[in-house]
Amino acid sequence: RKEVEQDPGPFNVPEGATVAFNCTYSNSASQSFFWYRQDCRKEPKLLMSVYSSGNEDGRFTAQLNRASQYISLLIRDSKLSDSATYLCVVNPGNTGKLIFGQGTTLQVKP
Amino acid sequence: EAGVAQSPRYKIIEKRQSVAFWCNPISGHATLYWYQQILGQGPKLLIQFQNNGVVDDSQLPKDRFSAERLKGVDSTLKIQPAKLEDSAVYLCASSLDMTYGYTFGSGTRLTVV
Repeated sequence: RKEVEQDPGPFNVPEGATVAFNCTYSNSASQSFFWYRQDCRKEPKLLMSVYSSGNEDGRFTAQLNRASQYISLLIRDSKLSDSATYLCVVNPGNTGKLIFGQGTTLQVKP
Repeated sequence: EAGVAQSPRYKIIEKRQSVAFWCNPISGHATLYWYQQILGQGPKLLIQFQNNGVVDDSQLPKDRFSAERLKGVDSTLKIQPAKLEDSAVYLCASSLDMTYGYTFGSGTRLTVV
C-alpha cells in the first residue's frame, strides 16, 4: 500500500464549478499535512497547510480526518488558472521528511 | 528573499555517463532535501540533510547515487553511472520550520538516452 494515495484524475470541470479532491495516508502517526500545487513543467509550490480543525484560504478549503486518515481539498468557483496538479503531502514523523502522493490533475474548461 | 537555486536546468547524457547537479538553499535553512520526480508521479525523497549531516538516505540508490553538503550550505547530487530509468526531474528543497513546508527549486530535468 502506498503511504499517500490520491486519485490521479484527470478531473475536467467547467469554470465556476466546485471540485473536491481526496487523499488517504497510511501512517496514523503522521504529524502534519499539506496541499501543494504543481503547474506543468514547474516545481511544486505550497498551496496550504491542513489543520485538524479545517482551514480555508479564499476559494480553497482543506479538511483533515485523523480517524479515517483522510485529507480533502475543496475548490469553489473554479478558475481557468486553477488548472494544475494538486499534490497531497504528509509529514509522517518529526524528521521533516515529506511524503508526496501521485497528484491529482485538474483541468478547468471555459 | 532569494529562492532555492539549482543548476543546470536541463541535462541530456548517454547511459553509463556521470552527471552532477548543484543546489543552493535559501539562506538560513538548515534542512536540505533532494527529490526525484519521474513523469506522472509525485516527488520521491532521495536524501535529507540537516546542516551537513545526513538525516535520511534510505531511498538513495547508493550504488550509483551520491550526495554531499559541504559546510552545511550548498549541495551536490551525483549519478555515476546513469541508467535510462534515472530520467526524471531532480528537485532540491529547503526548509526552516516544517510548519511551513518546503520551498523547492525549479529543478534539473535529466534525460538519459
